[in-house]
Amino acid sequence: GAGVSQSPRYKVAKRGQDVALRCDPISGHVSLFWYQQALGQGPEFLTYFQNEAQLDKSGLPSDRFFAERPEGSVSTLKIQRTQQEDSAVYLCASSFSPGMSGELFFGEGSRLTVL
Amino acid sequence: RKEVEQDPGPFNVPEGATVAFNCTYSNSASQSFFWYRQDCRKEPKLLMSVYSSGNEDGRFTAQLNRASQYISLLIRDSKLSDSATYLCVVNIYGGSQGNLIFGKGTKLSVKP
Repeated sequence: GAGVSQSPRYKVAKRGQDVALRCDPISGHVSLFWYQQALGQGPEFLTYFQNEAQLDKSGLPSDRFFAERPEGSVSTLKIQRTQQEDSAVYLCASSFSPGMSGELFFGEGSRLTVL
Repeated sequence: RKEVEQDPGPFNVPEGATVAFNCTYSNSASQSFFWYRQDCRKEPKLLMSVYSSGNEDGRFTAQLNRASQYISLLIRDSKLSDSATYLCVVNIYGGSQGNLIFGKGTKLSVKP
């Protein structure tokens, strides 16, 4: 499809496992964002890429979280040594415009449950 | 104080009612404002941008009050399909780029 694609849609991990979440943005979109959304909360900013450059990672909650977008297209969010508090929906969004001058298009999210 | 605050609701209204949501933001340097809609267990989608002069899109009207630092969303003639969570979103320029701050959302339930 032409939208933002995320995989896996659902992931169950045991505490301490590493997980990798993938985001395929809309083709040609310059900006890519990762958000974390806990149940009943709004999306919380994690990190932002403009092409392959990670311009802002101020929202990453700890050094267990790492994101990359090496070729300026697909992005991966990696969480090492998962903890129960990491359980949330991880939303990826892309935008044609640099920064936030344009509309954000979200993927359906990756729902992570840490047992 | 949270940077973007909304009444979580829920707002339970009958079909045909008019309902209004407010949202306050703390950073006076905020530049851009949006309302997103999120259906249950779905991703957020842009409902409308909010312009300084106010703007209308069908049954939806958005207003911005910079002096008081709040934005509002008015929905007229509510439909069952309007039931969703409405997210107030503010773009804050400054130390970081492209940092959209989302409110927690206001839940609307329209009943027959």
